[in-house]
Amino acid sequence: QSVLTQPPSASGTPGQRVTISCSGSSSNIGSNTVNWHRQFPGTAPKLLIYTNDQRPSGVPDRISGSKSGTSASLAISGLQSEDEADYYCASWDDSLNGWVFGGGTKLTVL
Amino acid sequence: QVKLVQSGAEVKKPGASVRVSCKVSGYTLTKISMHWVRQGPGKGLEWMGGFDREAGETFYAQSFQGRVTMTEDTSADTAYMELNSLRSDDTAVYYCARNGNFDFWGQGTLVTVAS
Repeated sequence: QSVLTQPPSASGTPGQRVTISCSGSSSNIGSNTVNWHRQFPGTAPKLLIYTNDQRPSGVPDRISGSKSGTSASLAISGLQSEDEADYYCASWDDSLNGWVFGGGTKLTVL
Repeated sequence: QVKLVQSGAEVKKPGASVRVSCKVSGYTLTKISMHWVRQGPGKGLEWMGGFDREAGETFYAQSFQGRVTMTEDTSADTAYMELNSLRSDDTAVYYCARNGNFDFWGQGTLVTVAS
C-alpha cells in the first residue's frame, strides 16, 4: 500500500478536462510540496509538476497542479491521445524521513 | 543538456549483490543530490534513498536499510547503488533521478533476480 493514495484509473474523451487526486497526511502533503510525474509504458518517468503547481520548461499550460491541506490534484485540460500514460504524485514524508509516491493513476483517453 | 546514463541490465541469483551505475553528463555530480527509485513489474514507483548534498548525508528508505549502499565517484561524475542479499522480489527496473524533485531521470536498469 502506497503512503499517498491515488485512484488507480481515470479516463476522458479528447478535449475534456480530467483531474487526478492524490491524498496524503499531515506528515507529507500537509507539510511539504507535491510533485507529479508522467510515465509512458517502457520509459522512464518525467517530471510534470513541481512545488505543487510549477511547470518545468516544455510542459504545456493545459497541465496544472494544485494543493490544499493534505491533498493535491493534477488537472489536464484539452485532453489529447498523447496524454494517455501513468501519473504519479510524490512528496517528502517527515515521519518516514523519505520520499513517498502515490500508487499511480492510469489515464485512458477514450 | 543534463543526461543520466545508467549501466546495462543485470541477471543475478538470489543472495547475490548488484551494483548499478549512473553517469552524469551535461552537468557535474557535485552539484546534484542523486536519488534512486525502483519499479517492480507492473508496479508503482518506490523511493530507495538518496544523497542530500547540502546535508552531506545519505538517506535510505526504511525498507532497504542495511541492504543498500549509495556511493559516488565525483571524479567520474558517476553515482552508484549497490543492493545486497537479492531476493526474487527485487526484480525491478532501477532508476537514478536528479535532486529531490527528480527533475531528470536515467533510462532505467532492469535487474532480474532468478535462480
